[in-house]
Amino acid sequence: EVQLVESGGGLVQPGGSLRLSCAASGFTFSSYAMNWVRQAPGKGLEWVSAISSSGGSTSYTDSVKGRFTISRDNSKHTLYLQMNSLSAEDTAVYYCTKSYSTGWAYNWFDFWGQGTLVTVSS
Amino acid sequence: DIQMTQSPSSLSASVGDRVTITCRPSQSISGYLNWYQQRPGKAPKLLIYATSNLQSGVPSRFSGSASGTDFTLTITSLQPEDFATYFCQQSYSSLLTFGGGTKVEIK
Repeated sequence: EVQLVESGGGLVQPGGSLRLSCAASGFTFSSYAMNWVRQAPGKGLEWVSAISSSGGSTSYTDSVKGRFTISRDNSKHTLYLQMNSLSAEDTAVYYCTKSYSTGWAYNWFDFWGQGTLVTVSS
Repeated sequence: DIQMTQSPSSLSASVGDRVTITCRPSQSISGYLNWYQQRPGKAPKLLIYATSNLQSGVPSRFSGSASGTDFTLTITSLQPEDFATYFCQQSYSSLLTFGGGTKVEIK
């Protein structure tokens, strides 16, 4: 059974940093692209970032480019999102998602974690 | 970025009704359109991928199609567990984008 378990969320002050983790199990982690998708309270879904199966390619939505860094450790079956210079607009539930294939384009999110809440507030 | 316009933003329907939700991309996406369902307080779940392919385990009352530039999610005979929010998503571009969502409520 595929499982994606996010952790690392919490309350952080504006300008602060946070590192999210997503522990994966039930599939060959190194064979699939992974993503972060977020949802602000009461709002829709927003794709944040993606990383290829090998970790050699990454992509970001414009609003987080230069502030967030996606990475993965295939030996630990874990996906990460380093978030710096956080602002109130980054407040959201952050979901870890698995892509169907090695890349994220021409693809879909076939499994989702339960999410971890990030609150940016003073 | 490819903008996804989803309509309606909400609708009220009764159990047994046929429901149709539409998604229109701002440019051609060559059929790379997916649909997700999100029940309150839960993570989204994949329903349909690549326009019309039903994800394993999803009931056959859900279907997806395309006509011209529009993509459609249809639920035939709405069930109580189908009251949820539905999102479309394009994966043609490497910058992935979602529609704004359609909340299906009980009439």
